[in-house]
Amino acid sequence: AQTVTQSQPEMSVQEAETVTLSCTYDTSENNYYLFWYKQPPSRQMILVIRQEAYKQQNATENRFSVNFQKAAKSFSLKISDSQLGDTAMYFCAFMKPLIIQGAQKLVFGQGTRLTINP
Amino acid sequence: ETGVTQTPRHLVMGMTNKKSLKCEQHLGHNAMYWYKQSAKKPLELMFVYSLEERVENNSVPSRFSPECPNSSHLFLHLHTLQPEDSALYLCASSQDRNSNQPQHFGDGTRLSIL
Repeated sequence: AQTVTQSQPEMSVQEAETVTLSCTYDTSENNYYLFWYKQPPSRQMILVIRQEAYKQQNATENRFSVNFQKAAKSFSLKISDSQLGDTAMYFCAFMKPLIIQGAQKLVFGQGTRLTINP
Repeated sequence: ETGVTQTPRHLVMGMTNKKSLKCEQHLGHNAMYWYKQSAKKPLELMFVYSLEERVENNSVPSRFSPECPNSSHLFLHLHTLQPEDSALYLCASSQDRNSNQPQHFGDGTRLSIL
């Protein structure tokens, strides 16, 4: 079974600083997807960034980038020039398609509560 | 606006009540999911429906009964719940034929069992 571990329950940085959230996972699969989701106090889970395991290039989305180390099974999220609106819970998630009918099965980590201070 | 709408936003019920949570997606997706989010625990996948057929049931107690009448609507019927069932219940949808497309989540229903 796949597992996802986020070892940092809480983090706090000053506005405009760079912060890195760590995530490790365990799987025997070779082809899969990894995601970072953000959940602000409004509760809505918002996709931040995703990475396909077969791609060696790290994904980037504006101020958000990942460091994907497949051999180490590590998938960290870097937030550059952090903003107050980045305050949220951040969840790392692993996905491979379900065999039956191709539906997805996401496995989430425990989450990291990130606070950006003014 | 996420395209996935959940109602009600908050629900308080006694252990003997019967209630239902509703989820509706406006994205043309054909797979829908129920998750349970408890404090200090990872999101737990409860049920998966693909093309209106249940394809996954993660050992969820029978006091939770899902229903998917069509690809746009998903319900979670609740009956004789326990205090430990208090949690945030999240619905999500995806386009199952494109497994690299992410799931879209609703805002959740905060459920409190008295």
